[in-house]
Amino acid sequence: GAGVSQSPSNKVTEKGKDVELRCDPISGHTALYWYRQSLGQGLEFLIYFQGNSAPDKSGLPSDRFSAERTGGSVSTLTIQRTQQEDSAVYLCASSLEVGGGDTQYFGPGTRLTVL
Amino acid sequence: AQSVTQPDIHITVSEGASLELRCNYSYGATPYLFWYVQSPGQGLQLLLKYFSGDTLVQGIKGFEAEFKRSQSSFNLRKPSVHWSDAAEYFCAVGANNNNDMRFGAGTRLTVKP
Repeated sequence: GAGVSQSPSNKVTEKGKDVELRCDPISGHTALYWYRQSLGQGLEFLIYFQGNSAPDKSGLPSDRFSAERTGGSVSTLTIQRTQQEDSAVYLCASSLEVGGGDTQYFGPGTRLTVL
Repeated sequence: AQSVTQPDIHITVSEGASLELRCNYSYGATPYLFWYVQSPGQGLQLLLKYFSGDTLVQGIKGFEAEFKRSQSSFNLRKPSVHWSDAAEYFCAVGANNNNDMRFGAGTRLTVKP
């Protein structure tokens, strides 16, 4: 596609429910990143994928968070038993290659509200 | 790991005035440096980046940034601000020995008529 897309754009859920957030990266990009942006905060790095594998999951806030990527393309970020502190904008980015210097292209984000 | 500080949370400038947004980084070697802009309800858009070479980098929308190793800084500048520049600006640093990019907390720019 022309850019990184994310769905849904907005998600309102009740505390304790599970949610799935989807990211569709730019075609051909091997690297995919997830970030969380809380109100008034910068971007918090969560996880990245190189192909379908996630070498480093230490950025995930808790074991309620998980992510997967299939076919080297679409990725889903799953939050189980959501809590109010999970409310944030979740941003996905992709880059051609994995590397600190490669430009990341961002999607519009999913705004998650946990009531 | 690398880190970034944006000292100014919020800046207000008049339309037509010059702008400088500060960014300081911490990293032991030459970093990769980026400035992104986020308009309300939008994703992040890359303004410019520094990898090596000329320390003055030109970006889109009339922005430029200068890498100063001695000051560990990468400040963003624009000679004349337009009302459409009102947005949140993020500085970010990448490293050549890891694969995550660290972002600053952002500076919100307000442009007065």
